[in-house]
Formats: sequence, C-alpha cells, structure tokens
Amino acid sequence: DTAVSQTPKYLVTQMGNDKSIKCEQNLGHDTMYWYKQDSKKFLKIMFSYNNKELIINETVPNRFSPKSPDKAHLNLHINSLELGDSAVYFCASSVTVSGANVLTFGAGSRLTVL
Amino acid sequence: GQNIDQPTEMTATEGAIVQINCTYQTSGFNGLFWYQQHAGEAPTFLSYNVLDGLEEKGRFSSFLSRSKGYSYLLLKELQMKDSASYLCAVRDSNYQLIWGAGTKLIIKP
Repeated sequence: DTAVSQTPKYLVTQMGNDKSIKCEQNLGHDTMYWYKQDSKKFLKIMFSYNNKELIINETVPNRFSPKSPDKAHLNLHINSLELGDSAVYFCASSVTVSGANVLTFGAGSRLTVL
Repeated sequence: GQNIDQPTEMTATEGAIVQINCTYQTSGFNGLFWYQQHAGEAPTFLSYNVLDGLEEKGRFSSFLSRSKGYSYLLLKELQMKDSASYLCAVRDSNYQLIWGAGTKLIIKP
C-alpha cells in the first residue's frame, strides 16, 4: 500500500554502465517527477511528466532518459554512468490541494558509481 | 539567480521551541513550502504559505512575509523524533519549486 514506490533502493555500479530506476505511484496523481539530491542535500528537479507528457526537462545530460508508459509510472534510465551521477534520486508525484502543489516522495534510490 | 538560504544546522533541547528561518530571492513567488526529511528517508510535506501571516498546524507553525522574502518554521514542545532536516522551497513565477539545502535540526535530551 506504499503511495510512491521506487526500486531499487540501493544501486552500486561501475562507471560506463547503464542502469534504470523504476517508480510507481498508486495515488491517482497526474504529475510525476524525478529529483536528484546531491551530497550537499540540494533537491534539484530533473524531469516532470503530466499524464505521460514531458512538461519539465531541466538541464540534464541526455544520458538521462525518462520514460512514462502510463500516468502511474515514471522510470529513469541512465546511460554511460559517471562518478558525478552518484546521488540519491527521488521520484515524486503531486496533487494540488487548496492551491498548493503538494509532493509525495518515494523513499529514494541511492546510486553509487565506482 | 534564484536563491534560498537557511541555516545549515541548529541544535535545540527536548521540550523547547525552535525557529528555523528561510530567506528567498526568486523570480516571482507562488507559494512557500516546508518539508521534513529524516535521515535516509523521503521529504514529507509540512506546510504551505502563499499569503502573509502565520499558519498553525499542531506543534508546527509557519510564517511568511512576502515583502521581506522571509519565512520561518516554528516547532514547539520539541520531541526527539523532530530531529530531521527541514527543507524550505519556493514556487517561482514558472510554478517551479526552488529548494533550499535544508536545516539539520538536532534535538538533545
């Protein structure tokens, strides 16, 4: 009954590899996001999808490719991993309540690139 | 550029009151959010302010002054479980969230 679930929780891999992180939400929200939280704890938006349509695509290397097969899923594929990609990646979904766009986050996926 | 400033770390005593400040400079303003993030966990929503003034929700209150670009989160009757990072985020004119780095709050018995 987890609201936003993402897998895997931990991912350790070598430079140059390709990896994917999956995200699913059962809240019925229309909008989903991928955030990156680096070692300094800043949360940075990477992508946002609304009803499977890409609406935010920040300055992210094109090695990162999101895919939304339906509005409940937003997966993140990363090609040719680099050391600087090591971070915690959070998936989130949102609904607007009384004008506030409230985010519900997944538990995070900690990616370590060696 | 856009900037959210909050103290890196604060320490308080169980049962006391603590105020965590946030100042912002953003291109436009469409609301300010506070989120709580326990170590190794996801951020969770605490409060939302879009008009000036104080919003109270149990032991937590959040204040906003748009003219000063300033907000604070007030935590009363502190409990050990309140030890966490508190993230301030502002929604700008493009309705994008700009996040601060968070304030790590340490509660001591």
